Formats: sequence, structure tokens, C-alpha cells
Amino acid sequence: SQTIHQWPATLVQPVGSPLSLECTVEGTSNPNLYWYRQAAGRGLQLLFYSVGIGQISSEVPQNLSASRPQDRQFILSSKKLLLSDSGFYLCAWRMSADTEAFFGQGTRLTVV
Amino acid sequence: KQEVTQIPAALSVPEGENLVLNCSFTDSAIYNLQWFRQDPGKGLTSLLLIQSSQREQTSGRLNASLDKSSGRSTLYIAASQPGDSATYLCAVTPGSSNTGKLIFGQGTTLQVKP
Repeated sequence: SQTIHQWPATLVQPVGSPLSLECTVEGTSNPNLYWYRQAAGRGLQLLFYSVGIGQISSEVPQNLSASRPQDRQFILSSKKLLLSDSGFYLCAWRMSADTEAFFGQGTRLTVV
Repeated sequence: KQEVTQIPAALSVPEGENLVLNCSFTDSAIYNLQWFRQDPGKGLTSLLLIQSSQREQTSGRLNASLDKSSGRSTLYIAASQPGDSATYLCAVTPGSSNTGKLIFGQGTTLQVKP
């Protein structure tokens, strides 16, 4: 069966520090991968998606970037965190637009 | 632009009651609609996926319906239990793109009182 792992679960980082959040999927090949952010009172917003290795699309301009160095690995990064980057970050995967989407357990990021 | 709305934002019911959560979307051109459950501080758990060609899906005490033409979906929970307390989110996959991205509603926070 397929599983999705996301780490770390919680992270407290100072403003201006770098960020790296990692997500891996097991039990499937060539999934579509997604990074969403859930900010308080604002619902879930898609940040990045990837349909293949090295293929990254950004949905909103921001201080973050994403990479997909391997088929089942998706990384969310920042060179210098801002206070506004605080939030709950969720990784997700699905095989295609007409299949079920699955989410990881999320990372709570607090920028101080 | 696709927009998804969930009403009510919060709901409190006594244990054992049957209840309905509502989800509406503005553009009927969708691949599917998916219902999720989110416990506090946790990720999303998929409950039901309804394809655009389907009218309803059932899983245990949960039944989700889809009326694509009117842009509405409902999640029916039978015989509610305290363990059902969580935030329920609906999300559509827009038919305008094959990327599989999801557009979410703001969620309905459900409290089932013993």
C-alpha cells in the first residue's frame, strides 16, 4: 500500500534562517506531488505541484521554492524565512486528476 | 475562478444525531469532489471521492452526494459519535486543468457531544 511521510512534524525557526521540509511517497511510481499551506482562518492554498522529476510549477509568488530530486521525493525550501511563512504545510500526492488525493501529517512551522 | 464554500462553519450536535454538511462550488466543470477529515494539528484523511459522473458514494456511516449541475455536494453522517468530532473539508479538482490540484472550502468544524 502507498504511504506518505512528511517531516519534521514541528519546526520553530528564526526570521532569516533557511528552511527545508521533506516529503516522500512509498508504494507508487511517478505520482503527482503537491505542497499546500494552511494558514489560520485562510483555508488550504496550493503552493507548488510537480508532475515529474525536475518539473515544478508554482501557484503563487512567494518566498518559497520547491524541488523534486527523485521520483517520490518533494522538498520545500526557503533561503530566508519571513514571519509570514508561518503556517501548517501539507504534502499530498495523487496519480492523476481523476484519482484520490492523499495527504501527509503536516509540518507546523513557526517563524519567530 | 472556482470557489468552494462550506456552510455552516461550525456545528454542534448531540451524540446519535444524523447530520448533513454542505459544500457548494461555482464552476460545474470538475473532475471530482473529495471529502476530507482533519483532526486538530493533523493532516487530512480522505473520506470519500465522488467522480463528476457519479451521484453519490458511501463508506460506512458516511454518504456523500454530488449534484454537479447545481454545484452542490452534501456529506451525510449517520448516528454521529463523539469520535466524529473534527473539521470536515470538501475540495474539487477543476476540470480546466489536468494537474490534479485541489480547491478547498474553509471547512465545517463538527463537535459531537456525548
